Formats: sequence, structure tokens, C-alpha cells
Amino acid sequence: RKEVEQDPGPFNVPEGATVAFNCTYSNSASQSFFWYRQDCRKEPKLLMSVYSSGNEDGRFTAQLNRASQYISLLIRDSKLSDSATYLCVVWRRAAGNKLTFGGGTRVLVKP
Amino acid sequence: GAGVSQSPSNKVTEKGKDVELRCDPISGHTALYWYRQSLGQGLEFLIYFQGNSAPDKSGLPSDRFSAERTGGSVSTLTIQRTQQEDSAVYLCASSSSGTGLTTDTQYFGPGTRLTVL
Repeated sequence: RKEVEQDPGPFNVPEGATVAFNCTYSNSASQSFFWYRQDCRKEPKLLMSVYSSGNEDGRFTAQLNRASQYISLLIRDSKLSDSATYLCVVWRRAAGNKLTFGGGTRVLVKP
Repeated sequence: GAGVSQSPSNKVTEKGKDVELRCDPISGHTALYWYRQSLGQGLEFLIYFQGNSAPDKSGLPSDRFSAERTGGSVSTLTIQRTQQEDSAVYLCASSSSGTGLTTDTQYFGPGTRLTVL
């Protein structure tokens, strides 16, 4: 079983709609959580860190559920420019200083 | 300000040849990471540097892979006797402290696309 699992999608989303997707992690000792965005043939870029109480950044809301070991990302009022692959990323001290990436969820926003 | 840079952006080589990939991290970042991303696959950790030391080499797939970092800055990833399965995008990232905390963002370079024929 992979340490970080994501639905690969694609999630086809009408422009202006809301889309949400989850990521599950297997190790309960995971300490830090992030969502990265990766555009086609580009490098990953940090979208937002995920805090225990949940956090919001504009149209993006991230939630952490430690009991069930998942994090979620919700995108409101989707824009065409939100089309990308969203990578769920976790870090735990015992794994050294590397980030462990999920396989990504592809989101396609259509007019 | 300058981000992470990598060179070359593309490298095509023949099976059995050696290749060197270069990474210039963000100035002042003490932590440097190498990952690779194969077609349709997620990012796979290769090696991590704190300063010039590599406390975690656990991700290097074989002894054909090696990396060094000099002056706490530039890093080189070397792949000897390349194989076709080495074809991938090799990504470098740097962060200010290497603590892994939510404040220690890893910034990625544009990657080197390696094709082994």
C-alpha cells in the first residue's frame, strides 16, 4: 500500500462549480501536510500547507482529519486556470527530511 | 529573486553513458533535495542534503546514482552507465532549513528531462 494515496481523476468540473477531493495517508505519525499544484510538464509548486484546524486561501480550503488519516482540498468558483494536477504531500520526521508525494489528482475545468 | 535552477533542461543520452545533472538552489537555503518523476508516476525521493552532507541517501535506486553538494550550494547528480529505466524528469528542490515543518516550504526547480535511448 502506498503511503499517500489519491484518486487520479480526472475530475471534470464546469467553470464556476465547486470541486473537492481527498487524499489518504497510511502513517499516523505523519506531521506536516501540504497541497502542491503541478501544471503539465512543469515543476510542482506549493499551493498551501494544511493546518490541523483547517485553513482557507481565497477559493481554496484544506482540511485535515487525523482520526481518519485524510486531508481534503476544496476549490470554489473553479476557474479555467485551476486545471492542473494536485499533489497531496506529507512529511514525518522518522522518514527523514523528504516529502512523500501522492500520485496526484487531475482536475480539468471546462467552460 | 532567483528560484531554483537546473541544467540542462533536456538531456538525451545513449544507454551506458554517464550523465551529470546540476542544481542551483535558492541562495541561503541549507537543504537541497533530488526527486525524480517518471512518466505517469508520482515524485520519488532520491537524496537529501543538509549543507554539504547527505544524511539521507535512502532513495537512490542503485549504486550507479551518486550526488554531491559543494560550498553548501550547487549540487550535482551523477548517473553512471545509464539505463533506459533511468529516463525521467529529475527535479531538485531547496528549502531554508530542512525541518519539514509547514513553514519550511520546498521550492522546486524546472527539472531536467533525461531520455536514455
